[in-house]
Amino acid sequence: AQTVTQSQPEMSVQEAETVTLSCTYDTSESDYYLFWYKQPPSRQMILVIRQEAYKQQNATENRFSVNFQKAAKSFSLKISDSQLGDAAMYFCALQNQAGTALIFGKGTTLSVSS
Amino acid sequence: DSGVTQTPKHLITATGQRVTLRCSPRSGDLSVYWYQQSLDQGLQFLIQYYNGEERAKGNILERFSAQQFPDLHSELNLSSLELGDSALYFCASSGTGRTDTEAFFGQGTRLTVV
Repeated sequence: AQTVTQSQPEMSVQEAETVTLSCTYDTSESDYYLFWYKQPPSRQMILVIRQEAYKQQNATENRFSVNFQKAAKSFSLKISDSQLGDAAMYFCALQNQAGTALIFGKGTTLSVSS
Repeated sequence: DSGVTQTPKHLITATGQRVTLRCSPRSGDLSVYWYQQSLDQGLQFLIQYYNGEERAKGNILERFSAQQFPDLHSELNLSSLELGDSALYFCASSGTGRTDTEAFFGQGTRLTVV
């Protein structure tokens, strides 16, 4: 069965600092896709970053980067120079094949303090 | 704005009733996915339609059904509602279904069953 586990229900960080959110997953597929979604209080699901499993290079989007460890089935999100607007629930998600449904973790609530 | 439109934004109804949630996907997107977000179950995949045909089923109850119409909009029908059906229901859409991995989410319909 495909599963996604986020072991940190809550995390906190100070503005301008760096925080890392953890995610592990399980899949029998060799090619798959991993995502981090942000859900602010508005409840909108916003794609933060995407990683294709066949790519060895870690994805980066501005202040957001991932540490993708395929053998360990680990996919952590690093947020650098944290901002107040980063406060949200973050979901890790797995997609086994293109065009199929996402499997989500339970989420990590990130709070940012000034 | 993701380009995915969900109506209504909020819905309050009584137990035993039936409701219909509507989703208009991004222009050109053939795949529509329905997800349920509740406090105890997290974000769960319910069902996927692709170009009018059911493609995949997740944890969808028998009391729930969906369809996708020729103009590609989709409806999720929830019947014999129970208190536990109170949740945020998301619709997402994606491209051709085979090559496009990114799912774009609507703002959700908040269903409250009283």
